[in-house]
Amino acid sequence: ETGVTQSPTHLIKTRGQQVTLRCSSQSGHNTVSWYQQALGQGPQFIFQYYREEENGRGNFPPRFSGLQFPNYSSELNVNALELDDSALYLCASSLAGFRGTGELFFGEGSRLTVL
Amino acid sequence: GQQLNQSPQSMFIQEGEDVSMNCTSSSIFNTWLWYKQDPGEGPVLLIALYKAGELTSNGRLTAQFGITRKDSFLNISASIPSDVGIYFCAGQGGGSNYKLTFGKGTLLTVNP
Repeated sequence: ETGVTQSPTHLIKTRGQQVTLRCSSQSGHNTVSWYQQALGQGPQFIFQYYREEENGRGNFPPRFSGLQFPNYSSELNVNALELDDSALYLCASSLAGFRGTGELFFGEGSRLTVL
Repeated sequence: GQQLNQSPQSMFIQEGEDVSMNCTSSSIFNTWLWYKQDPGEGPVLLIALYKAGELTSNGRLTAQFGITRKDSFLNISASIPSDVGIYFCAGQGGGSNYKLTFGKGTLLTVNP
């Protein structure tokens, strides 16, 4: 167990709706990253937060946004949901500065289904 | 998005056999990592490699960071049924020090 917890574990939304996913980091970690994993694919980087600011972003549209809070927990918000947003959303925490945050520790993910 | 070339896509082996899988990239990475993912769960870190040529073991698992920094391999010796799962390679670096780029995974099935 990594100590990274995510909620909810499963949820179903309809197109056009908005969703918020939550993540609590492993104790002592100050960086949170979010990844999207479509069925049969490897995780794709969405963005990373460090010290409550976005520290890097992958190829995702602006309707994907996030927050990091002073306790290092984080939220992922997706607006105007599309069918292709159906995926497993993974949160990962790490300790910035330790060899480039390579050692990410993942939560179990939030399975989003968009109908 | 960019993904690494991971092979094979799937493997069916008998318990006790050794397994080898590899990952290649057109880009140089500073760090290579190997993760295992079980159904319905998040990836779990198995091995991290930080230096070209580095060979690192974790129990029955051995991984190497290729000297060109564009490839890595993972070996599993004496496989057991609980080795079943999807194995992912991931690379980090080359100007994008904040993200991991993953392969598409190798699905391993072990027949008892």
